[in-house]
Amino acid sequence: AQSVTQLDSQVPVFEEAPVELRCNYSSSVSVYLFWYVQYPNQGLQLLLKYLSGSTLVKGINGFEAEFNKSQTSFHLRKPSVHISDTAEYFCAVSLNNNDMRFGAGTRLTVKP
Amino acid sequence: DAGVTQSPTHLIKTRGQQVTLRCSPKSGHDTVSWYQQALGQGPQFIFQYYEEEERQRGNFPDRFSGHQFPNYSSELNVNALLLGDSALYLCASSLLPGGGYGYTFGSGTRLTVV
Repeated sequence: AQSVTQLDSQVPVFEEAPVELRCNYSSSVSVYLFWYVQYPNQGLQLLLKYLSGSTLVKGINGFEAEFNKSQTSFHLRKPSVHISDTAEYFCAVSLNNNDMRFGAGTRLTVKP
Repeated sequence: DAGVTQSPTHLIKTRGQQVTLRCSPKSGHDTVSWYQQALGQGPQFIFQYYEEEERQRGNFPDRFSGHQFPNYSSELNVNALLLGDSALYLCASSLLPGGGYGYTFGSGTRLTVV
């Protein structure tokens, strides 16, 4: 079965600084990869997804992620964060027609 | 275009009771997945419904059951509630099973068991 590990439970960063949220997955076959954001008391919103093709994926709100098959990673990056980016971020993986499985989440806190 | 609608938004139940949560999928979606999100944790997959049948199931006991109706809406039932069942329950809908088609999440139902 596929699984996801988010390497950092909390990431504090100052406003306008770059940020990277790390995600590793385990699967012996090709997978679909996703990043979701969750604001307090809300559901999950899709930031971006990798299904196939270019390994650099651009999403909403200036976020991007790079799929690295050899390192089984899918790290999320943003060159300059805003206060409004403070939220919980989840990496997720799906095998073909199977359900989606999530990591434990990374709490991003952007400080002024 | 309405997204995924979940009801109720909050509820409080007593240990041992039974609860039913409801989900209306996004227009055009025919697959519903349910997740449990405990405080400070990632969503855990409970099960997925497609064509009115449970298609896949995560590591949850039989106390957790569900149903999908012909209009694609779904219910999650939990029997003999335990304190540990307190969580945010998320419903996600998609066009066909499989994460590749994209999941749309509802805002969740916050269940508190006392």
